[in-house]
Amino acid sequence: AQSVSQHNHHVILSEAASLELGCNYSYGGTVNLFWYVQYPGQHLQLLLKYFSGDPLVKGIKGFEAEFIKSKFSFNLRKPSVQWSDTAEYFCAVISGTYKYIFGTGTRLKVLA
Amino acid sequence: DVKVTQSSRYLVKRTGEKVFLECVQDMDHENMFWYRQDPGLGLRLIYFSYDVKMKEKGDIPEGYSVSREKKERFSLILESASTNQTSMYLCASSLRTGYTDTQYFGPGTRLTVL
Repeated sequence: AQSVSQHNHHVILSEAASLELGCNYSYGGTVNLFWYVQYPGQHLQLLLKYFSGDPLVKGIKGFEAEFIKSKFSFNLRKPSVQWSDTAEYFCAVISGTYKYIFGTGTRLKVLA
Repeated sequence: DVKVTQSSRYLVKRTGEKVFLECVQDMDHENMFWYRQDPGLGLRLIYFSYDVKMKEKGDIPEGYSVSREKKERFSLILESASTNQTSMYLCASSLRTGYTDTQYFGPGTRLTVL
């Protein structure tokens, strides 16, 4: 069965630290990949997505993600986090169906 | 901007009650989805609908049913609520069938079943 793994469940960083959140998926065919973010008290919203072309995707608020097909990975990065990045981050994949498959999420806490 | 609204932010029900959760989107989206979100489990798809009166089971449909009589409205029904259905329920919509389609989420309904 297809699955998405987010290995870091909780991450705590100080402001200005660099961030990398891991995401791996299990599917050998064509995939489309997403990162969603849920800020405290707010609804889930799209951060960035990859469906073709340049494997380095830039999203909102300075986030980027790199699709590495050989590693089945789509890691999220930000060079310098801010307190306002405190949120829960979800990786998701669509492959061949209507259905998104979401990872279990990573809770990021940024200390001011 | 796409707006997805859900009828309640918080709901408390008793075991055995029939529960209706309503979701409305205002952007003429064809696809609508119901998820439940639980700590450590992420989002799990309950049901989705790609057209009026059409529905497909997701990964965890047991104990739930859905209704889509109008394009903009997608209802989730708990026929006989149980305590293990205490959760956050999220509705989402997307424009059309397509691998690149962004899903737009509502604010969620936190359901507690006592």
